[in-house]
Amino acid sequence: GAVVSQHPSWVICKSGTSVKIECRSLDFQATTMFWYRQFPKQSLMLMATSNEGSKATYEQGVEKDKFLINHASLTLSTLTVTSAHPEDSSFYICSASPLAGGFHNEQFFGPGTRLTVL
Amino acid sequence: GQQLNQSPQSMFIQEGEDVSMNCTSSSIFNTWLWYKQEPGEGPVLLIALYKAGELTSNGRLTAQFGITRKDSFLNISASIPSDVGIYFCAGLQGAQKLVFGQGTRLTINP
Repeated sequence: GAVVSQHPSWVICKSGTSVKIECRSLDFQATTMFWYRQFPKQSLMLMATSNEGSKATYEQGVEKDKFLINHASLTLSTLTVTSAHPEDSSFYICSASPLAGGFHNEQFFGPGTRLTVL
Repeated sequence: GQQLNQSPQSMFIQEGEDVSMNCTSSSIFNTWLWYKQEPGEGPVLLIALYKAGELTSNGRLTAQFGITRKDSFLNISASIPSDVGIYFCAGLQGAQKLVFGQGTRLTINP
């Protein structure tokens, strides 16, 4: 149980285009989903916290107009990187926290999406 | 933002050896978590610690939550090839925000 999927697993796009990444909780409902970014050989950095039906909360330094987050249902959150540039190339990972609160608000992580912007 | 200092950054060991890594913080956390990440995948939870002083085991893994709530360590006993990966500590800030350490990259020579 507690499986989180991401789609696509990797994507290559041209500079200036927009890319949408999906995060789904497959066997549980998630009140809250989180989006992280991980650059090569670095740690995970939280970008934003997404609550179903409300606006996402962005971490300091993360541009909300560039990284659009939609959490339209209890099992799906999307991250859209708008007007992507090479410096946006990174590994994007989502996590989901169960509706029932899990055990101490545990987060279950997706497998990540590798974005490469040419 | 708040950071956790994790050490060592990398380890090269022989199969069968024990491994120890730790995390420290200037701030108190009420929950410490240890994750393992393999290439191209998301992190997987190994051990969660909820009480200061708590010592918890998961198979060959043992982790402790420091008394001061500002540190934690993870030990792996009798390492095997599948232990290879990057290990991250994380502190839970507030109800939901996770702050991650820089990671310890473990390499095992057979």
